[in-house]
Amino acid sequence: NAGVTQTPKFRILKIGQSMTLQCTQDMNHNYMYWYRQDPGMGLKLIYYSVGAGITDKGEVPNGYNVSRSTTEDFPLRLELAAPSQTSVYFCASRTRQGENQPQHFGDGTRLSIL
Amino acid sequence: EDKVVQSPLSLVVHEGDTVTLNCSYEVTNFRSLLWYKQEKKAPTFLFMLTSSGIEKKSGRLSSILDKKELSSILNITATQTGDSAIYLCAVSYSMEYGNKLVFGAGTILRVKS
Repeated sequence: NAGVTQTPKFRILKIGQSMTLQCTQDMNHNYMYWYRQDPGMGLKLIYYSVGAGITDKGEVPNGYNVSRSTTEDFPLRLELAAPSQTSVYFCASRTRQGENQPQHFGDGTRLSIL
Repeated sequence: EDKVVQSPLSLVVHEGDTVTLNCSYEVTNFRSLLWYKQEKKAPTFLFMLTSSGIEKKSGRLSSILDKKELSSILNITATQTGDSAIYLCAVSYSMEYGNKLVFGAGTILRVKS
């Protein structure tokens, strides 16, 4: 069972570069989420999606973009990397079946912007 | 503003001790409260609580929700070094498109042998 898979696991970027963090899930989950986790802080929601073609902003969307063309994939794009975006990024997914279901997380992408 | 506050921020105990972790919240449209354990990588799901006063139990871990006090506790009895982790509390609330989670900062637990 693959669950939620994130790539890459680590990446170092220079200021101003762009990159896409990949997230894919094989559980046929409708809901998908992107979070960032900074030291000593909880996870902050960047963007989320309730299904293919539908995305919406979370708490901290500035500097990021997302798309959801398929149920399985939910990539996160950084267009102009800034040092403030140094963080660990987690993707999560959840089934739409039933009101209360937990989110399942990928192993994270550790991103450093220098 | 929706918020979740966990306490303590960190603690160090010896194997065999019992610990209690606290979580309080201020969230509109509350749906449920969740506990996650985070070791080196992904947070892993422990409990989901929706009803007040009903204890959920899994081995040496248990948790209960108090909706009147807007809080929850996570108890770990007979702690082991493998319990060392960050414990995250999150509250699910309803939005226009589905439910979202707001997380606390976490409690860092270290169990010494």
